[in-house]
Amino acid sequence: GAGVSQSPSNKVTEKGKDVELRCDPISGHTALYWYRQSLGQGLEFLIYFQGNSAPDKSGLPSDRFSAERTGGSVSTLTIQRTQQEDSAVYLCASSLEDRGWGTEAFFGQGTRLTVV
Amino acid sequence: SQKIEQNSEALNIQEGKTATLTCNYTNYSPAYLQWYRQDPGRGPVFLLLIRENEKEKRKERLKVTFDTTLKQSLFHITASQPADSATYLCALDHNYGQNFVFGPGTRLSVLP
Repeated sequence: GAGVSQSPSNKVTEKGKDVELRCDPISGHTALYWYRQSLGQGLEFLIYFQGNSAPDKSGLPSDRFSAERTGGSVSTLTIQRTQQEDSAVYLCASSLEDRGWGTEAFFGQGTRLTVV
Repeated sequence: SQKIEQNSEALNIQEGKTATLTCNYTNYSPAYLQWYRQDPGRGPVFLLLIRENEKEKRKERLKVTFDTTLKQSLFHITASQPADSATYLCALDHNYGQNFVFGPGTRLSVLP
């Protein structure tokens, strides 16, 4: 498809387990973002990838969270030893390279993670 | 500290009226600001982008203003319709476009 694709759409996991969330950005988009949205809350920035530059990991809430982007395309967000407070919708977005002029972000539908 | 605020958590207006949503920011110097629409269970969808050297931008029934002195953006929907009911998010670039930071959103309900 032409849009940002995330999988799975829903994930229920037991506390303490590890989970992997996948994001397929729009082809040709060099920037990729992960956000987290808790119920009724705004979007919380997690991590940003831009081309071959070092990712901006400043939003990751703890060292249990990590993300990688292989070949400048697909990205995986990994949460280790999940906790109940990790329950949220995880949103991925991609955009063309921002040259300071501004560029819109295209969001996927999100992965709803529930930790029980 | 850095902060983005949107005028109210929820806004109810009558169909046909103009909805005005506010986005205020503190301790950011964005080169541009964006507005997104989010429907329940879906990711945000881009609506408009306005740059720091632009005062106003229009798209159909939508209008955005950007006042870098007041550190404020106003988002207007004219001739509002029930289909405009959604949560509207403002976002501004952070760290010279290195990522976007979002406001908490305003949930707009247009009543028939």
